[in-house]
Amino acid sequence: DTEVTQTPKHLVMGMTNKKSLKCEQHMGHRAMYWYKQKAKKPPELMFVYSYEKLSINESVPSRFSPECPNSSLLNLHLHALQPEDSALYLCASSQRGRSGREETQYFGPGTRLLVL
Amino acid sequence: AQTVTQSQPEMSVQEAETVTLSCTYDTSESDYYLFWYKQPPSRQMILVIRQEAYKQQNATENRFSVNFQKAAKSFSLKISDSQLGDAAMYFCAYGGYKLSFGAGTTVTVRA
Repeated sequence: DTEVTQTPKHLVMGMTNKKSLKCEQHMGHRAMYWYKQKAKKPPELMFVYSYEKLSINESVPSRFSPECPNSSLLNLHLHALQPEDSALYLCASSQRGRSGREETQYFGPGTRLLVL
Repeated sequence: AQTVTQSQPEMSVQEAETVTLSCTYDTSESDYYLFWYKQPPSRQMILVIRQEAYKQQNATENRFSVNFQKAAKSFSLKISDSQLGDAAMYFCAYGGYKLSFGAGTTVTVRA
C-alpha cells in the first residue's frame, strides 16, 4: 500500500481566512514533505519533516505554518494568504533505504487551493 | 543543487507506438536515485519507475523502461505500446530526500 491521503481536495479561501491542509500516511514512512505546484510546472519543495522534526524549510513565507503531530500526520496551516498562493499543494512521504538515506517519495492527490 | 534537464516540452505518439522521453542530470555523487513520475490531468503525481545508480541493469515496469547511462548522466524513459491512459505530464527527478525535478514533458496519445 503506497497511499498518501490529503484533505480537502479543493479549498477556496479569502485573504483574511485561516485554514488547514491535512495529509496522512500509514506506510510507516518517517519523512514527510509539502510541495507547492503551479500549473504545468514541477513541484517546488516547501517543507520536510524527518522523524516529526522540521528538517528543511525552503524559505517559505510565515503565512504557511507546517505541523507534524505524529509520524502519520502532516498539517499545513494557512493564514493571510495572497492570490499568488493559489496552487496545487502536494504532500509526499518517503521510506529510508538500505543506505540509510530516504528513497522513493510517494505523493498524495493534492489540495487545489484558490485564494480570492 | 543538482540540475535535471528535460529538453522536450511536448511529445506526441500514436496509440500502440513507442515514445522515448529524454532526461539528463548533473551530479558529483556516485550513489543516487533517479525517478520518472507521471502526472495526468487529474494532477495526482504517480511513480512510474525508479533507478538506483549503483545498479547497472536498466529498470523496467511493464510497458515502461529506462535507458540509464551513468557516465553520460542520461536517464531516458521509453513507453512501449502507448495507450490513451498514458497521456500526462512526465517529470524526471533526481535524489530521494530532496528531489530535483526536470521541467516536465507533456505526452499526448493520438487514437
